[in-house]
Amino acid sequence: GAGVSQSPSNKVTEKGKDVELRCDPISGHTALYWYRQSLGQGLEFLIYFQGNSAPDKSGLPSDRFSAERTGGSVSTLTIQRTQQEDSAVYLCASSPSREDEQYFGPGTRLTVT
Amino acid sequence: AQSVSQHNHHVILSEAASLELGCNYSYGGTVNLFWYVQYPGQHLQLLLKYFSGDPLVKGIKGFEAEFIKSKFSFNLRKPSVQWSDTAEYFCAVNADNAGNMLTFGGGTRLMVKP
Repeated sequence: GAGVSQSPSNKVTEKGKDVELRCDPISGHTALYWYRQSLGQGLEFLIYFQGNSAPDKSGLPSDRFSAERTGGSVSTLTIQRTQQEDSAVYLCASSPSREDEQYFGPGTRLTVT
Repeated sequence: AQSVSQHNHHVILSEAASLELGCNYSYGGTVNLFWYVQYPGQHLQLLLKYFSGDPLVKGIKGFEAEFIKSKFSFNLRKPSVQWSDTAEYFCAVNADNAGNMLTFGGGTRLMVKP
């Protein structure tokens, strides 16, 4: 079946611009997660959704980062006023419930110039 | 907060050699443990997981891992590696006090020489 999909696969943006990253989870998965993978920091948790609500936003690195999920499905991660240190691969994962394993998407590679 | 350590950052082996990758975590409560693999150009895939029960867990492609609670360890093993096992391997922990976030180790890059 279809896995987690993310778009765009690559995004190059200028410092100071806003970007939106999209995640389509596996159909029926109620839990959705955002992580980022960077050279200096490894894999870091950003935010978790159960349905449309985000009980855990503890990993968002600054108030420039926000995320929403609508209809219990698609999620968007928005980064405002991008900085060079935001350059990373942003990964989305979903799971059938919060107790299950997480299935990862291919990621969006963000480069801030 | 919990942390995960993978002590081997780079490992180079010849085909048919045995593999053991170390993973240690720092949390005294209940944990769920995972090994994920990322093949070149591909996304993260689950190799195996431990939630409860038998501490020796078998996963895909001949991999296994053993949970040793007293050592806070979850080492990954394979008796005989193949060139196709060349990848980056990540240990991850979900602790019972951390919602459902995964805390990842820094990863181990494995290169298997044919």
